[in-house]
Amino acid sequence: EPEVTQTPSHQVTQMGQEVILRCVPISNHLYFYWYRQILGQKVEFLVSFYNNEISEKSEIFDDQFSVERPDGSNFTLKIRSTKLEDSAMYFCASSERGADTGELFFGEGSRLTVL
Amino acid sequence: AQKVTQAQTEISVVEKEDVTLDCVYETRDTTYYLFWYKQPPSGELVFLIRRNSFDEQNEISGRYSWNFQKSTSSFNFTITASQVVDSAVYFCALTQTQGGSEKLVFGKGTKLTVNP
Repeated sequence: EPEVTQTPSHQVTQMGQEVILRCVPISNHLYFYWYRQILGQKVEFLVSFYNNEISEKSEIFDDQFSVERPDGSNFTLKIRSTKLEDSAMYFCASSERGADTGELFFGEGSRLTVL
Repeated sequence: AQKVTQAQTEISVVEKEDVTLDCVYETRDTTYYLFWYKQPPSGELVFLIRRNSFDEQNEISGRYSWNFQKSTSSFNFTITASQVVDSAVYFCALTQTQGGSEKLVFGKGTKLTVNP
């Protein structure tokens, strides 16, 4: 069964460092997302990406965040200068037709720990 | 604005008991989708069900069943004859469709512990 894959599964970084989280969405999917879950809290939307551009972003997704689809398969989330409060599980997701019409397939998450 | 409320923070049951997880939502959209996801201790999000706002039929899948009541804006999830492997955090979620938005709004989750 096709799945969304994320790397790394866990990353530990020092405050102020740049981090890139990588995702390989399901191959025929067109909509891509990043969500964040701070430990013990709910899952929160960060950004959606379609047709090589951001279609929506939340207030959490400030200037230190960026997303990119550098080639035909990867979808990355970059955090330019990490802060302690960026420590969370980051989930990539993809869908064929958009979250309002189809299933949203989540990856297994990348746990980011900022020290 | 869309909102999902899962009032039960934690539930603990003994194996083979039935358990219902509550989900109440708020939306101004006329068309929307509701979801349930399971998050086991390993951390991934596992899709369980999606329900269209126009389809109020209840659904059963094995030991799982869902009761969608538009009149009370609820989408409750029942596990029959619970098992230890059902222990997880369960999230209810709602799509926001207006303005071209495609995001899911999640509830805070209900942590279910099934004891042997």
